[in-house]
Formats: sequence, C-alpha cells, structure tokens
Amino acid sequence: KNQVEQSPQSLIILEGKNCTLQCNYTVSPFSNLRWYKQDTGRGPVSLTIMTFSENTKSNGRYTATLDADTKQSSLHITASQLSDSASYICVVSGTISNAGNNRKLIWGLGTSLAVNP
Amino acid sequence: GAVVSQHPSWVICKSGTSVKIECRSLDFQATTMFWYRQFPKQSLMLMATSNEGSKATYEQGVEKDKFLINHASLTLSTLTVTSAHPEDSSFYICSAIHWNTEAFFGQGTRLTVV
Repeated sequence: KNQVEQSPQSLIILEGKNCTLQCNYTVSPFSNLRWYKQDTGRGPVSLTIMTFSENTKSNGRYTATLDADTKQSSLHITASQLSDSASYICVVSGTISNAGNNRKLIWGLGTSLAVNP
Repeated sequence: GAVVSQHPSWVICKSGTSVKIECRSLDFQATTMFWYRQFPKQSLMLMATSNEGSKATYEQGVEKDKFLINHASLTLSTLTVTSAHPEDSSFYICSAIHWNTEAFFGQGTRLTVV
C-alpha cells in the first residue's frame, strides 16, 4: 500500500533554533518527493521538489534531503523564525511525470511546527 | 511564482442550498485543475481532476452530482457544492498546473454549512 508517514506529528521550538522533520514513504514506483508548507486556513505552498537522482535541495533556510534507497526524506529548517509556524507536508508522486501526475500524489499527514519567541 | 486565486476564502450557507467556489490562475493558463478537500488535522484528499473543455474525472467515493465541477476556460474552474449538508463542511482547495509544471495551490475556501 502506498503510504507517506511523517514524524514528529507536532514540534515546538524556540525562535532561532534549527529543526529536522522526517518523512518515510512506501510509494512505488517513485517519481518525485515534495515538501509543502501550509499555514492554517491556507493552501499549501511548495518548498522543494526532488526527483530520484537528487539527494539534497535547498530553498533559503529550508534544506530537503532524499535517500531513495531507504525511502526517507528530511526537511531541515535553520535559524527558525516565528513565521515558520505551520504544517509541513511531505508528498510523494507515484507516477511518471505528465500533465496529470498530481492525481497520484500521496500526501502525508504533516508535521505541525510551532516556533515560539 | 505563479498565482492561483480562490474565491471566496470562507462561506457560511444554510443546509440545502448550493455554494459555488471559484479557482482562477492569474498569470498562466491552467491546462489541468484539481480540487481537494481537507478535514481538520488530515491530509488533502483529491476530489476530482478537470481539464479545460472536458468533463471532470472524479475520485472514487466523490459524488459527481453533488460536487459539480466546470472548467470552461484555461484560467477558471468552479466547484459547486449542491444541496449542501453540515457534513460537507470542510476546507476546499484547488490547484492548477500548465502542462508539466509544478502545481500551484489556491488559498482555500472554508465552507461551513449550518
């Protein structure tokens, strides 16, 4: 069964600290893995998207890693800010990319991050 | 990045009435749009996929007669929740892509049926 599991479910850190969120998946065949940030009551915003051959990708203070062998990914946030408080969702695409590949996206439940002053 | 605008951002309606939600791609032509539903503390669940000018493809368990989707142009798709009931209360989100590009999401619509 195609699944995406994220940990921890929730996390509280102090402003300025770093944190790492985990994502394990069993989706096959694998096409790409995405990390989204979703603020409460808002639509998801893409942070990174990685294909099979990519091990790491950065977007500002966000760095995602991917180990396709162990089917694990992580999202590292450095020097956290209050605005980083949100839900971070790991999404795995299980099809070869085409115009309709989003239909096969497998969504994780997300990690709820709270950054406190 | 590309902008997808969803309207309204929230709506309260009486049970039995219909509600229309609009999704617009503001700076690109969306060949495909997707409609999702999200309950509190749960993942986004794909409801349907719509391609411009053709009928929407609904996911298993989604009633096509209840959730009417129209994708009449390359920049606009609408979702109409017909005869809404309290159990239809949820967060509805659309996303749009142009051919093989990244998907961009609208800001979502909070529907409350009373």
